[in-house]
Amino acid sequence: GAVVSQHPSRVICKSGTSVKIECRSLDFQATTMFWYRQFPKKSLMLMATSNEGSKATYEQGVEKDKFLINHASLTLSTLTVTSAHPEDSSFYICSARDVTGANVLTFGAGSRLTVL
Amino acid sequence: GEDVEQSLFLSVREGDSSVINCTYTDSSSTYLYWYKQEPGAGLQLLTYIFSNMDMKQDQRLTVLLNKKDKHLSLRIADTQTGDSAIYFCAETPNSGNTPLVFGKGTRLSVIA
Repeated sequence: GAVVSQHPSRVICKSGTSVKIECRSLDFQATTMFWYRQFPKKSLMLMATSNEGSKATYEQGVEKDKFLINHASLTLSTLTVTSAHPEDSSFYICSARDVTGANVLTFGAGSRLTVL
Repeated sequence: GEDVEQSLFLSVREGDSSVINCTYTDSSSTYLYWYKQEPGAGLQLLTYIFSNMDMKQDQRLTVLLNKKDKHLSLRIADTQTGDSAIYFCAETPNSGNTPLVFGKGTRLSVIA
């Protein structure tokens, strides 16, 4: 079945630095990928829709300059958390839909970001 | 906007059946999903159902959909300790590039 690989799975960084998280669709092409953020004991919050070859669509309240999304190819989307602060510490999960298959959303394993 | 509601906690004994319930508000929901999340992991698709179906069974999992009441349930037969996880209900109004709307998740605890 469809597989989405997310890297890194865990990252610890200092305040003020930037962190890049990669999301790859391994065996299918994804023109659209979705980035979610999950707070402890909370549901998934959609951050943005990443569109291959064009600008990402951000949800209300999500700072586009803070969370940079690049979808340069049909199999790779990246999320860069810029000038990270402790409140950015969270679990970030990407997902992609294989529109040629069963039309379900496949998720990456998630990336745990801790900002010191 | 669309809303998906779930109870937050469910505790069952090993071997019993678990029933996780979900309600949604979007009457145009076309696809409804159940995802499982184990601690520290991403979401794993368990099963999904199209809105023109009433029931779908897959081994120990049974999904029931009452479209009139906008109610979805997931029944896990012979619940095992490995079933302990958070279960998310999700819906989307159509196919293509529409993101899913998730409930807050139900934490299932299985007591040995």
